[in-house]
Amino acid sequence: DTGVSQDPRHKITKRGQNVTFRCDPISEHNRLYWYRQTLGQGPEFLTYFQNEAQLEKSRLLSNRFSAERPKGSFSTLEIQRTEQGDSAMYLCASSQPGTGAGNTIYFGEGSWLTVV
Amino acid sequence: LAKTTQPVSMDSYEGQEVNITCSHNNIATNDYITWYQQFPSQGPRFIIQGYKTKVTNEVASLFIPADRKSSTLSLPRVSLSDTAVYYCLVGDSWGKLQFGAGTQVVVTP
Repeated sequence: DTGVSQDPRHKITKRGQNVTFRCDPISEHNRLYWYRQTLGQGPEFLTYFQNEAQLEKSRLLSNRFSAERPKGSFSTLEIQRTEQGDSAMYLCASSQPGTGAGNTIYFGEGSWLTVV
Repeated sequence: LAKTTQPVSMDSYEGQEVNITCSHNNIATNDYITWYQQFPSQGPRFIIQGYKTKVTNEVASLFIPADRKSSTLSLPRVSLSDTAVYYCLVGDSWGKLQFGAGTQVVVTP
């Protein structure tokens, strides 16, 4: 499978604990995105990387959230001191922009977080 | 980023054609129009993308009028498995994509 891979697919954690999600993008894609989606809503942009550089962060990304892409390949999204409001599906996506068409973003299957 | 407006929901019967129209009055010259499909508990799946006129692939057709202020996704002969949320987005070759609430399409027998 050469698509975007996310791990774990589901995570249940107690409030106050830290969680980390991993994303492996499509291998030739240099751009990687994180989105968050709650029930009944469309995905909300969180942040994105161009290679290893984090180029933009949404205001949704509080200081409890940190994302890294250390070698420009896989990425991790860590949430510290989780709160019940963090319960959502976290989506990773990747793209190879600037290829002469629109920026087509390919999504993984998401990582579900439930904070109890 | 150009804002898009699309219907909240649409109902259809199996075998019918479903057309979802999206308004994007402030689309920029460099923007493309992209549609995604999303099933519950899955990530959005790319369906089709276009800049102007008509684009067709094995899944859908995308109609874009000359002024590009709207676009219509056409799903031919839908089946129950086409029940999903469909998102219309606009953006250029480099920017991130912003999702709205999408259109919930429900196909019944």
